[in-house]
Amino acid sequence: QKEVEQNSGPLSVPEGAIASLNCTYSDRGSQSFFWYRQYSGKSPELIMFIYSNGDKEDGRFTAQLNKASQYVSLLIRDSQPSDSATYLCAVKYGSSNTGKLIFGQGTTLQVKP
Amino acid sequence: DVKVTQSSRYLVKRTGEKVFLECVQDMDHENMFWYRQDPGLGLRLIYFSYDVKMKEKGDIPEGYSVSREKKERFSLILESASTNQTSMYLCASSRRSSGGLETQYFGPGTRLLVL
Repeated sequence: QKEVEQNSGPLSVPEGAIASLNCTYSDRGSQSFFWYRQYSGKSPELIMFIYSNGDKEDGRFTAQLNKASQYVSLLIRDSQPSDSATYLCAVKYGSSNTGKLIFGQGTTLQVKP
Repeated sequence: DVKVTQSSRYLVKRTGEKVFLECVQDMDHENMFWYRQDPGLGLRLIYFSYDVKMKEKGDIPEGYSVSREKKERFSLILESASTNQTSMYLCASSRRSSGGLETQYFGPGTRLLVL
């Protein structure tokens, strides 16, 4: 059973702090990794994807991938109350062309003013 | 920008009714997906399609069927709606990529209530 695990939270951080969200996955054959943000009552929207070991930065967001340890993380710098949402980690396993992703259950982030 | 639209934002149906949920994408994506999302259970894949007329079962296909007659349209059918199918239904689409970079883009969701 391929699994993607996230701490459901809530993770509470003060405004301006760094929020760190973590995700582990079970299959070493995983190729691509995605972070989605989902506001309450809305659909998920892509924040970043990463497929190489190391860091990938986009504005206040940094995705980190460590394939040897099978984890991927998302750092949010200078957290804002508008970052309060559920963050979903998704993993694509293998080389199938169907595009199927395995989603974690999500971590709820609360940024307090 | 990728646009995925769903036929209804909110839907109220009665037990036993046949329900059709439609999803349309305008980016010529090969892959399309139907999920349901329930509190505490996350996103669960119902069915997906990787080409016209092709479909595969996801993790929870029981009580559902799908149809993909055209590339841009993927329909989810609840053959006989039951109260345990009350949920948020999300459609997504993605490009078939040999590089494995298949970002899924989601529609706005349909919140279905079965009475």
